[in-house]
Amino acid sequence: DSGVTQTPKHLITATGQRVTLRCSPRSGDLSVYWYQQSLDQGLQFLIQYYNGEERAKGNILERFSAQQFPDLHSELNLSSLELGDSALYFCASSGKEGEAGELFFGEGSRLTVL
Amino acid sequence: AQSVTQPDIHITVSEGASLELRCNYSYGATPYLFWYVQSPGQGLQLLLKYFSGDTLVQGIKGFEAEFKRSQSSFNLRKPSVHWSDAAEYFCAVAPSGGFKTIFGAGTRLFVKA
Repeated sequence: DSGVTQTPKHLITATGQRVTLRCSPRSGDLSVYWYQQSLDQGLQFLIQYYNGEERAKGNILERFSAQQFPDLHSELNLSSLELGDSALYFCASSGKEGEAGELFFGEGSRLTVL
Repeated sequence: AQSVTQPDIHITVSEGASLELRCNYSYGATPYLFWYVQSPGQGLQLLLKYFSGDTLVQGIKGFEAEFKRSQSSFNLRKPSVHWSDAAEYFCAVAPSGGFKTIFGAGTRLFVKA
């Protein structure tokens, strides 16, 4: 158990819809990362937050947004969903800013868009 | 831009045989280097990491990796593979002092009896 909790574990929705994925980081970790894993794109970095502020952005679509709340949990919002958004979305957390350390991954949220 | 290349999409080894998974990275300075393992239906778990110092690092589950600056490589090795090692292995790189860990495409390991 990594200590990172993601909900929901599975989600099935239709094209054009909007979903929210939630992540609770490991106790004490200030950084939260979001990754998308699909068969054709591999594990893609989406975005990172540190203590409520956006710190780094990767290949995140404009239809996607994220935020980190004062209690440090994070949400990834996916809107106007397309078939190609079907993927496993991982949240990871880590301890200290300025030190690239170990990422602790949740078990992922599997999104299926029909 | 930083990048990670894992040239082998999948590898099959016999149980008890040795294993080497290849990883090459592209980065201006010496980055932080990692190997993660992902079992089916699970998140990723860190096997080992290299920040500085001894270029041969030991990890969990009997894995080790060697950093070779001249070759920009960080290959993962295990002297004797067990059936439970069947999983997908990811090499990753992160810039020292910061963010945005980048992962390779992964190598899926199959273990045959």
